Amino acid sequence: DTGVSQNPRHKITKRGQNVTFRCDPISEHNRLYWYRQTLGQGPEFLTYFQNEAQLEKSRLLSDRFSAERPKGSFSTLEIQRTEQGDSAMYLCASSSGLAGGRRETQYFGPGTRLLVL
Amino acid sequence: KNQVEQSPQSLIILEGKNCTLQCNYTVSPFSNLRWYKQDTGRGPVSLTIMTFSENTKSNGRYTATLDADTKQSSLHITASQLSDSASYICVVAFSGGYNKLIFGAGTRLAVHP
Repeated sequence: DTGVSQNPRHKITKRGQNVTFRCDPISEHNRLYWYRQTLGQGPEFLTYFQNEAQLEKSRLLSDRFSAERPKGSFSTLEIQRTEQGDSAMYLCASSSGLAGGRRETQYFGPGTRLLVL
Repeated sequence: KNQVEQSPQSLIILEGKNCTLQCNYTVSPFSNLRWYKQDTGRGPVSLTIMTFSENTKSNGRYTATLDADTKQSSLHITASQLSDSASYICVVAFSGGYNKLIFGAGTRLAVHP
């Protein structure tokens, strides 16, 4: 399977614990995005990487959230001191950066569903 | 404020029937509009992408329209199938260095036999 993969698919944690999610984008895609989706809503943008550089962060990404893409391939999203409000689906997407902008498709992974008790 | 609004919020139709989903947006500067299909518990999958110069785009039984003047789009599904049951999300991209996406809340479609 050459699509975007995310691990774990599900995570249940207690409030106050730290969690880390991993995203493996489509091979050779240099753009990577993280989104958060709550029940009944569309995804909301969290952050964007071009290769290893984190070029934009949403105001939704509080100080407890950190994302990395150390070698420009896979990415991790860490949430420290989780709160019940962090419960959501965390989606990762990647794109090639080669399609000339307007028609560039973001390919989404299956998401990691987080439940904070 | 940059927003994407969709209607209806949910829809139930019988297998074989057609339906049309609506999308209004206030995103500026506009780059393109996309429709995504999202099955329950899965990531969204792209159906169509339209720039401001395109009025209509088809992908099999899915046909999207765009009126850039009124900032409205629709997604028409023909001869619905049970597998069409999903959320359909209208997404508008900002013009710029990369496609920053603004998502609507989606229309949840249920196709019944």
